[in-house]
Amino acid sequence: DVKVTQSSRYLVKRTGEKVFLECVQDMDHENMFWYRQDPGLGLRLIYFSYDVKMKEKGDIPEGYSVSREKKERFSLILESASTNQTSMYLCASSPGLAGVVYNEQFFGPGTRLTVL
Amino acid sequence: DAKTTQPNSMESNEEEPVHLPCNHSTISGTDYIHWYRQLPSQGPEYVIHGLTSNVNNRMASLAIAEDRKSSTLILHRATLRDAAVYYCILRPRSYNTDKLIFGTGTRLQVFP
Repeated sequence: DVKVTQSSRYLVKRTGEKVFLECVQDMDHENMFWYRQDPGLGLRLIYFSYDVKMKEKGDIPEGYSVSREKKERFSLILESASTNQTSMYLCASSPGLAGVVYNEQFFGPGTRLTVL
Repeated sequence: DAKTTQPNSMESNEEEPVHLPCNHSTISGTDYIHWYRQLPSQGPEYVIHGLTSNVNNRMASLAIAEDRKSSTLILHRATLRDAAVYYCILRPRSYNTDKLIFGTGTRLQVFP
């Protein structure tokens, strides 16, 4: 079974802190994604990566950065956390198989971040 | 990106069939239709996807209208475990990184 794990289920941080959210997948997937989920807004894509050291902005990248130094790990960084970044953060990965029209995304359980 | 419209919520009784509708009137000829669901306190999981023909798998069936402006996810016999938020998503064939754009989905309640 594909496993996508996230470093914490719950996290509480203070305004202005630097926050790292870690995601690890164990199936050698090429693509990795970070979403945030808020009531009434659904899931919104923050950043994604299709290869080591490669990243692309999603729909709401402001206030976030990412790092992908190894294929299995994709980190989301909040340089200076703010209260409006209180949210559920979900990581996902997909195989990115060449020649396959669509590769299913596998999601982690999520990290509920509260910024006070 | 083309948008989808789904009802906010639906209800069903256990062991009855459930038809979850999705409208996508601005769909383009190369957009795939995907369905994911999110069980309580979990990340979303893939359910099914299709282009033009109806599709079946162990979880559900996907019925796609002939003009492709709407589709229906069919759960043949709902169980309590099927209570979740169901997302209908259009994905352009041109994407090469499996990017998905989620809407707000349909919350399905299943009653014993």
